[in-house]
Amino acid sequence: SAVISQKPSRDICQRGTSLTIQCQVDSQVTMMFWYRQQPGQSLTLIATANQGSEATYESGFVIDKFPISRPNLTFSTLTVSNMSPEDSSIYLCSVDRGQYNEQFFGPGTRLTVL
Amino acid sequence: GENVEQHPSTLSVQEGDSAVIKCTYSDSASNYFPWYKQELGKGPQLIIDIRSNVGEKKDQRIAVTLNKTAKHFSLHITETQPEDSAVYFCAAAFSGSARQLTFGSGTQLTVLP
Repeated sequence: SAVISQKPSRDICQRGTSLTIQCQVDSQVTMMFWYRQQPGQSLTLIATANQGSEATYESGFVIDKFPISRPNLTFSTLTVSNMSPEDSSIYLCSVDRGQYNEQFFGPGTRLTVL
Repeated sequence: GENVEQHPSTLSVQEGDSAVIKCTYSDSASNYFPWYKQELGKGPQLIIDIRSNVGEKKDQRIAVTLNKTAKHFSLHITETQPEDSAVYFCAAAFSGSARQLTFGSGTQLTVLP
């Protein structure tokens, strides 16, 4: 498996502000993934972050709203910019690990936007 | 793209009974099917997975079956316990160089003592 930590674990933010979420993995990985889980919903992939290249965003997600950094093989950040109440969600990072590239998730960051 | 449908959305069983959750997928190229358990306030935890070269896989009280012809797969939990109560998600992917899972909508399982 993988040991993945996220900071902060939760936050309450004001409309119009930005929050940067950190994801740390216990060993080097090629790709890291960022997901959004809206209240009571399933997981939706936001983007894939490779070290040394621009993140690849899924349909409906743009870099201006969700800028991502991947400075090394164990760390990534996701910023939620210019937040509105609709951004209230759990944000999860994940990595591929293991013999068959199983995907493992961090504990999530619970964001509430007022 | 891939589309995964999951049923039921909620499931209540008595402790000791079995629980079955079913998923169907649309993309015949998908060949990797994991199941995740998400407890309240936690991230999803991989509990079992199956690849298209096998039809069934077991791990203690949980098992997954796959029917590639019909494009559906199921999670079976036997002898359920209260700690099995959680949201369960199925997913499907084509295990290429960049794995991107398509998730089902989730099943809230409640095991009644």
